[in-house]
Amino acid sequence: SQQGEEDPQALSIQEGENATMNCSYKTSINNLQWYRQNSGRGLVHLILIRSNEREKHSGRLRVTLDTSKKSSSLLITASRAADTASYFCATDAGDYKLSFGAGTTVTVRA
Amino acid sequence: GEEVAQTPKHLVRGEGQKAKLYCAPIKGHSYVFWYQQVLKNEFKFLISFQNENVFDETGMPKERFSAKCLPNSPCSLEIQATKLEDSAVYFCASSQSPLGEQYFGPGTRLTVT
Repeated sequence: SQQGEEDPQALSIQEGENATMNCSYKTSINNLQWYRQNSGRGLVHLILIRSNEREKHSGRLRVTLDTSKKSSSLLITASRAADTASYFCATDAGDYKLSFGAGTTVTVRA
Repeated sequence: GEEVAQTPKHLVRGEGQKAKLYCAPIKGHSYVFWYQQVLKNEFKFLISFQNENVFDETGMPKERFSAKCLPNSPCSLEIQATKLEDSAVYFCASSQSPLGEQYFGPGTRLTVT
């Protein structure tokens, strides 16, 4: 069964705007990862945040983790058309396999 | 190689037929994972390997699904007697550690008719 739930399910924004999506999970975790999936393609790893970290940056991506609320957010700043994709959070609960959320579909309008 | 390779890209099978999917992990990665994605949503974990040994098979429907990772051969996922509900995209991923980032292949789309 899935560990994570993502919110919103879909997001449509104008190019240049920021996009924020959230992930909530149920059990304690070792780490939380965010992946991107372009239509019809495999997953691309974006960022990994460990349970003892609160915030992490990578380029235009910013991830936060709040273990007390069992939630994480992914912020994409200054969005581009190429950011159009589905974004998935995945948690590792110490059982050496990833549990994925249902994903947020982001559409960036030119 | 530097990318996870999966073959074939597409596979069509009649209900009851066998399906076999292949995955070549990134060279040097000891861990291989198989996931099933249905309807572009949920990724379901199936099985993982540490080299040629099964690491975790808790996600495998054992009656019809089997998998292997043999030395010097691509890993394989085999479905005996496919059912309509097996229609999905099957992704393979590899990693250097069971806890770190996983590198995904492009997937094999299985259609059971």
